[in-house]
Parts: sequence; C-alpha cells; structure tokens
Amino acid sequence: DTGVSQDPRHKITKRGQNVTFRCDPISEHNRLYWYRQTLGQGPEFLTYFQNEAQLEKSRLLSDRFSAERPKGSFSTLEIQRTEQGDSAMYLCASSIVARPLYEQYFGPGTRLTVT
Amino acid sequence: AQTVTQSQPEMSVQEAETVTLSCTYDTSESDYYLFWYKQPPSRQMILVIRQEAYKQQNATENRFSVNFQKAAKSFSLKISDSQLGDAAMYFCAYRGGSNYKLTFGKGTLLTVNP
Repeated sequence: DTGVSQDPRHKITKRGQNVTFRCDPISEHNRLYWYRQTLGQGPEFLTYFQNEAQLEKSRLLSDRFSAERPKGSFSTLEIQRTEQGDSAMYLCASSIVARPLYEQYFGPGTRLTVT
Repeated sequence: AQTVTQSQPEMSVQEAETVTLSCTYDTSESDYYLFWYKQPPSRQMILVIRQEAYKQQNATENRFSVNFQKAAKSFSLKISDSQLGDAAMYFCAYRGGSNYKLTFGKGTLLTVNP
C-alpha cells in the first residue's frame, strides 16, 4: 500500500476565493471519506463515497462545499467563497470491504488557512 | 446521536512507565466498533487498536491494550512501557454497526518524558 495522499498539504487563501483539494486513496479502496479537523478538536465527518456514489453528507457540508469522486478513484473537495471559519485541516480516509471492520486509513491532510 | 468524550486534554508519562487514557461514549446501538487513533505532530493519523462491541475480550496490540466496559460505555487505552515515539495526540473513535463514519472525541495529548 502506498498510502492515502492529499494535495496540497497547505493552502492559504483570501476570504471569498474558491479552493479545491485532492485526495488519492489507497488503490482498490472503494470507500472514501472526508473529515474536517479544527484546532483542539477531533475530526468531524463531512461526506462519504462508495465508488463514485456520494452516499452520505453531513449537515456541516454547507452549499459552498462540494465533493466528487468521478471515476471511483481520486476525490476532490471544493469550497466556494471561502470564509475564515473554513480554516481547518481537511482529512481524507479510505477503506475497503476486505479489511476488518472497514478500517479507515487516513491521509496527511490539507491545512487550509483563510485570511 | 452518538458522542465520544475524552476527559483528559493532556497526559504525561515517564519513559518505560504505563499510562491510561480515558474514553467514554454514548450510544443506543447494540452493534458498534471502537477505535483508538494516534496522530503524531504534523503526521497522519494511524490506527492503534480496535474493539468490536460484541467481543467480551479486551483487544491487545503489543504494548497497547484496552479496557472495554460495555455497560459503563467506557473504552480506555493502556500504553505499557511507554516510549518517546508514543508522544502524540490520541483520539478515541466510535463507528456504528450500520454506519461507516467515525465519531471522534476531542483527543488527549500524550507527552512522554525521558
């Protein structure tokens, strides 16, 4: 396993700009998750894909957020019209049915700073 | 909704000693899974240990073990023979049996003193 990768690792943007993050899961992992982690808190679930289908979205995912997984491989998370409250670490994780308990493997995260 | 509570924001331990991190959770489900994740500074989160709720036996992974008290909804992590590399933020996490998302606690920052 090469591990879950995320790009970029850091992003600084001005309020009102759009940003897009990419996540590459472990190959053959059919499930992909996005979480958000703010300072001093544990990660909070945002959304989940099985293959290319987005099966669940948290209420935390406002209309400004959109996630895609077009071919069931990599995923993108876009935030439109960023706000200072969007500053956080965005974590991606993946899992596969064959693994016990659908164990989730996490990427290194993308740290977003909105100025 | 399920909640996970870690009541110790910070803990410290001497190298080679044993430390226990606490976690409690609230759920109405009978089928669920519990996890401890480790997040070293500026590094990605890795799974330390897992526990299926239907199993009475406590999980053990080398120096890491859990004390799972289902009736009390408690899931503590014991680290034996602590090493400097154990220093990290530790998160307790819950997953319902019919769900895939993880619900995390706020974490406990563990410091290991040489």
